[in-house]
Amino acid sequence: KNEVEQSPQNLTAQEGEFITINCSYSVGISALHWLQQHPGGGIVSLFMLSSGKKKHGRLIATINIQEKHSSLHITASHPRDSAVYICAVSGNQFYFGTGTSLTVIP
Amino acid sequence: GAVVSQHPSRVICKSGTSVKIECRSLDFQATTMFWYRQFPKQSLMLMATSNEGSKATYEQGVEKDKFLINHASLTLSTLTVTSAHPEDSSFYICSPGRGNTEAFFGQGTRLTVV
Repeated sequence: KNEVEQSPQNLTAQEGEFITINCSYSVGISALHWLQQHPGGGIVSLFMLSSGKKKHGRLIATINIQEKHSSLHITASHPRDSAVYICAVSGNQFYFGTGTSLTVIP
Repeated sequence: GAVVSQHPSRVICKSGTSVKIECRSLDFQATTMFWYRQFPKQSLMLMATSNEGSKATYEQGVEKDKFLINHASLTLSTLTVTSAHPEDSSFYICSPGRGNTEAFFGQGTRLTVV
């Protein structure tokens, strides 16, 4: 069993839709990270959070420490949001989810 | 955010040759560098952790004699894939360890061994 589980694996949405990606983890963590991986492979950090909720533009990340669960929301999705979104947790080391491939159709 | 420069971004090499991948932290000193490998449709897998001035720590199943890691300075870590084989074709990416802070990654290196 993976330490970090993400769902869904693949997601296709129409432009403008509200998107939610879920992440559950089974290890003790000091922080949870949401990452965005572009088709070329480069990875960008979107959020690091250890409690509560963070918002950056159209992106919102929440975490429930007791339930060991986090969600990434994208409001008013746009084709440029198409990418792979990866949930990772950090403690003694990083553990990565397998990613959610998001395609936003115009 | 931190700037991490990884080169080359893509490399094609023949079986049996060696390939060196460089990872530089441009605006901070990285005492620790994580090296990951990612196969298609899979998550990043930690290969090894390099520490400046000391030997790298390899994850189980990763051959230290095949994947040579050097962390000679606080701003440069290198991964050399020796005697490369087609099964070594993968996406390799570095990430400096900065404790419990935001994660930063190099641009990654797409290695194809033919």
